[in-house]
Amino acid sequence: DSGVTQTPKHLITATGQRVTLRCSPRSGDLSVYWYQQSLDQGLQFLIHYYNGEERAKGNILERFSAQQFPDLHSELNLSSLELGDSALYFCASSVRLAGGTDTQYFGPGTRLTVL
Amino acid sequence: DQQVKQNSPSLSVQEGRISILNCDYTNSMFDYFLWYKKYPAEGPTFLISISSIKDKNEDGRFTVFLNKSAKHLSLHIVPSQPGDSAVYFCAASDLMTGNQFYFGTGTSLTVIP
Repeated sequence: DSGVTQTPKHLITATGQRVTLRCSPRSGDLSVYWYQQSLDQGLQFLIHYYNGEERAKGNILERFSAQQFPDLHSELNLSSLELGDSALYFCASSVRLAGGTDTQYFGPGTRLTVL
Repeated sequence: DQQVKQNSPSLSVQEGRISILNCDYTNSMFDYFLWYKKYPAEGPTFLISISSIKDKNEDGRFTVFLNKSAKHLSLHIVPSQPGDSAVYFCAASDLMTGNQFYFGTGTSLTVIP
């Protein structure tokens, strides 16, 4: 158990809908990262928050947004869902800003299926 | 643009033998590299890392080698055990900007008893 929790574990929804994925980092970790893993793909970095502030954006679509709250949990919002958004979404946390020899601890992921 | 590449989607080895997983990167600014292991239905778990000031880092049965001139790293597992069967991802980061990690597409390792 990495100490990172993600809810829900599975999510099935229809095209055009909006969903929210939630991540609670390990106690004491200030950084939260979101990744998308599509079939046969690696982990695609989406976005990084540190202590409530956005620090880096990767291949995140405009239909997707995220935020980190004062209690450090984070939410990833996916809207106007398309079939291609079906994937595993992972969040990871680390103690500080990546920029040192920091290790990310991953949650178990949320499997999103868009029908 | 895939900056970290794992060109072998799968690898099978006999129990007790050496497993060698390879990873190539294109960005010469990367100076911190990690390997993660992932079992089905779980998130990746950190295995071992190396910074560019070293060319080798060892932790038990796991050793990572870094060849900066070739922009190549490899993970050696000796001896391989059936419990090592998993998908292995390599990842890289630039310590200066360091806010983003780049992952490869993974290599599925099967250790045959």
